[in-house]
Amino acid sequence: ETGVTQTPRHLVMGMTNKKSLKCEQHLGHNAMYWYKQSAKKPLELMFVYSLEERVENNSVPSRFSPECPNSSHLFLHLHTLQPEDSALYLCASSQDGTSGNEQFFGPGTRLTVL
Amino acid sequence: LAKTTQPISMDSYEGQEVNITCSHNNIATNDYITWYQQFPSQGPRFIIQGYKTKVTNEVASLFIPADRKSSTLSLPRVSLSDTAVYYCLVGPVMNTGFQKLVFGTGTRLLVSP
Repeated sequence: ETGVTQTPRHLVMGMTNKKSLKCEQHLGHNAMYWYKQSAKKPLELMFVYSLEERVENNSVPSRFSPECPNSSHLFLHLHTLQPEDSALYLCASSQDGTSGNEQFFGPGTRLTVL
Repeated sequence: LAKTTQPISMDSYEGQEVNITCSHNNIATNDYITWYQQFPSQGPRFIIQGYKTKVTNEVASLFIPADRKSSTLSLPRVSLSDTAVYYCLVGPVMNTGFQKLVFGTGTRLLVSP
């Protein structure tokens, strides 16, 4: 248990569906991240929020839309996805200024797009 | 961010010491070396971080030579549960804001009985 929770853990959706992934951190951190991990590929950073402001958008298609309503919650809104978007989506958080900026990862949401 | 190179895979047996070496020839003066561990279908977990010489915690040791162009993660007496992918990352530790981690393909460690 890392203090970062993600829901749902598994999600199957069609290409025309709209769904949202939720991440919550109970660590008092002020930076949150979305990563994508496809099969046999390295983790790819998607978005970063620091103090609830988006500070990084790593050339992610607009069908992925992040939202950070407060420092404890992070959402990833999904719409009109493609089968190649099937992957493990990981949320992480870190605290500014602490030693190493260690990132704490959630368990991930396994997304399958049909 | 400095590029890192590490072996794709390693095999070991229970009870042995495992050393995973990572090359980072272009490491910058303000870069730290960080190792993460990832089990299948889980998020990565921080193992250890260092800047120079040797760092040890309850899980592992990190050896960094004087030129800092490489580093070695040492896992003492591995068990089956240490089977995982190990990532070496190099980058600055931020005083403010976030830290952009760039993960490579990592080293897949398989521990056998």
